[in-house]
Amino acid sequence: GIQVEQSPPDLILQEGANSTLRCNFSDSVNNLQWFHQNPWGQLINLFYIPSGTKQNGRLSATTVATERYSLLYISSSQTTDSGVYFCAVRRGTSYGKLTFGQGTILTVHP
Amino acid sequence: NAGVTQTPKFQVLKTGQSMTLQCAQDMNHEYMSWYRQDPGMGLRLIHYSVGAGITDQGEVPNGYNVSRSTTEDFPLRLLSAAPSQTSVYFCASSRVYVNTEAFFGQGTRLTVV
Repeated sequence: GIQVEQSPPDLILQEGANSTLRCNFSDSVNNLQWFHQNPWGQLINLFYIPSGTKQNGRLSATTVATERYSLLYISSSQTTDSGVYFCAVRRGTSYGKLTFGQGTILTVHP
Repeated sequence: NAGVTQTPKFQVLKTGQSMTLQCAQDMNHEYMSWYRQDPGMGLRLIHYSVGAGITDQGEVPNGYNVSRSTTEDFPLRLLSAAPSQTSVYFCASSRVYVNTEAFFGQGTRLTVV
């Protein structure tokens, strides 16, 4: 099956810093999503981005499908950005099945 | 628009007990699925369904049973709970033949003692 690797596994920032999270995948995909799991355990949809670039406030994401990676940028980080960030991909032949990476644990200190 | 609704949010079971985790969605999505999340292991697929009457196994199906009698509902049954099934369970839904995003419920934290 498809492999999804996220880096770094852990990231500690001071409030106001910028960061880049990376997601590599081993095969072609037709769906890629970024999620934020907040400290209460909820999975929040951040981006649906099978290709191209999207921005939502301080967050933006870029997927280069031909090179099999996606990047999530967080600018001017806030303590509320803390949590786990997951990348998940779906192949064209897999109906709705999402394969998740292991996640990046982000801690933002005030 | 409620999206994906899971119940209960928390549950404690004794070893050997059975229970059903409920999942309902109101987006008319064909695809529904159950994942479990364990520390350090991300989310792993348990079972999924591409429509009413159609279910299939995911990556970690042992000890779980599902059925899909309606488009809206996809319950997950634990037949005889074991401590290894202590986990957080998520239900998700999405379209099958249209490439759109998947949506997740709020999760059920299950402890088996």
